Amino acid sequence: LAKTTQPISMDSYEGQEVNITCSHNNIATNDYITWYQQFPSQGPRFIIQGYKTKVTNEVASLFIPADRKSSTLSLPRVSLSDTAVYYCLVGDMGPGGGADGLTFGKGTHLIIQP
Amino acid sequence: DAGVTQSPTHLIKTRGQQVTLRCSPKSGHDTVSWYQQALGQGPQFIFQYYEEEERQRGNFPDRFSGHQFPNYSSELNVNALLLGDSALYLCASSTKSRGAYNNEQFFGPGTRLTVL
Repeated sequence: LAKTTQPISMDSYEGQEVNITCSHNNIATNDYITWYQQFPSQGPRFIIQGYKTKVTNEVASLFIPADRKSSTLSLPRVSLSDTAVYYCLVGDMGPGGGADGLTFGKGTHLIIQP
Repeated sequence: DAGVTQSPTHLIKTRGQQVTLRCSPKSGHDTVSWYQQALGQGPQFIFQYYEEEERQRGNFPDRFSGHQFPNYSSELNVNALLLGDSALYLCASSTKSRGAYNNEQFFGPGTRLTVL
């Protein structure tokens, strides 16, 4: 699985847009980019997944440049409840990929202040 | 529709003891993965069960073993507990159906194991 690098922590304020960037220089052709969110004392929760360009759902957007060596998770108008750890994962996790064991890094601890 | 459930929620053991943790997958899922999460770290993959067999394994010693039952539920067993085994143990379910969308894994709330 490709190694990922993301900031250890970030701070923002309620109502702001937050962008968390993840670097994955060694991403392989079959790899997808997936983001998970984890609140304290809970299991991680899937947020969004993409392969290239832009993906948007009701929670977030994921921007992936053409070279796919990085990606940016965008959270619009954050609230206090968005305070959590966000993990960027890269691997063959797309449709038909087989749902293999996931490799998590340390993630980005996002703190939202009032 | 119940999500992934785990039991117990908390457990305290002493060094050298053995522990069994249990997981019931989300309805419709046939694959169960187990993860260990130490304080301040991301979850680390232990192993995955599918069709009642261990299919993948992370970098964990054979003190860690598991089982999957015909109803897809699973157990994680840890023998000869060490202080370093204290962690949150997470179970995740998914399906290996090739028609499944994005192979998302659904995590349970975890079991907090403390080894004294």
